[in-house]
Amino acid sequence: SYVLTQPPSVSVAPGKTARLPCGGNNIGSKSVHWYQQKPGQAPVLVVYDDTDRPSGIPERFSASNSGNTATLTITRVQAGDEADYYCQVWDNSGDVRVFGGGTKLTVL
Amino acid sequence: QLRLQESGPGLVKPSETLSLTCTVSGAFISSSSYYWGWIRQPPGKGLEWIGSLSYSGDTHYTPSLKSRVTISVDPSENQFSLKMTSVTAADSAVYYCARQNSRPDKAFYDWGQGTLVTVSS
Repeated sequence: SYVLTQPPSVSVAPGKTARLPCGGNNIGSKSVHWYQQKPGQAPVLVVYDDTDRPSGIPERFSASNSGNTATLTITRVQAGDEADYYCQVWDNSGDVRVFGGGTKLTVL
Repeated sequence: QLRLQESGPGLVKPSETLSLTCTVSGAFISSSSYYWGWIRQPPGKGLEWIGSLSYSGDTHYTPSLKSRVTISVDPSENQFSLKMTSVTAADSAVYYCARQNSRPDKAFYDWGQGTLVTVSS
């Protein structure tokens, strides 16, 4: 089965740039989606199809996907960005949707 | 605006069947534009995809739950449902229903607020 690997935690100072990686075998060949989840709330889609943002998501959120790593980048990090972030793909070999284990972003 | 709302018992006894319903508003559940899915999250843990239902009625499940899970649709009520048999404490989680656009490789664009299910005697 396909596995997505995310670091459990990333810390960043306010105003700096956070980079959250998501590793998977040849993930560059798949469409990667990213979700933000704050405590007690449902996940919210922040990036879809590798690089696109839903309406209402700030331009500070961007992403890339190549080789074996996809990365969510958050620039000018704010306290309100503190949340868990999950990457997700579709594994067509078994027609299953796969989530990464999630990364907790802490704003120092 | 498309909205999803989960409903069902918050407490289920071990070995019994968990049954949840997701009511969709703002879109026709039979539309060829959408897939419908269930995702769960045990307390303090990450997201786990349970399964999805296509507009044509095809279903796909995560392998670890496939033997215990059924997802079905009721177009007359604009709802889709999750049934999970033989539950244990490990099935205690917040259960979310969600919508994908048109293809299985698309993102889960819209989510319900989630419903907490506790498995306990």
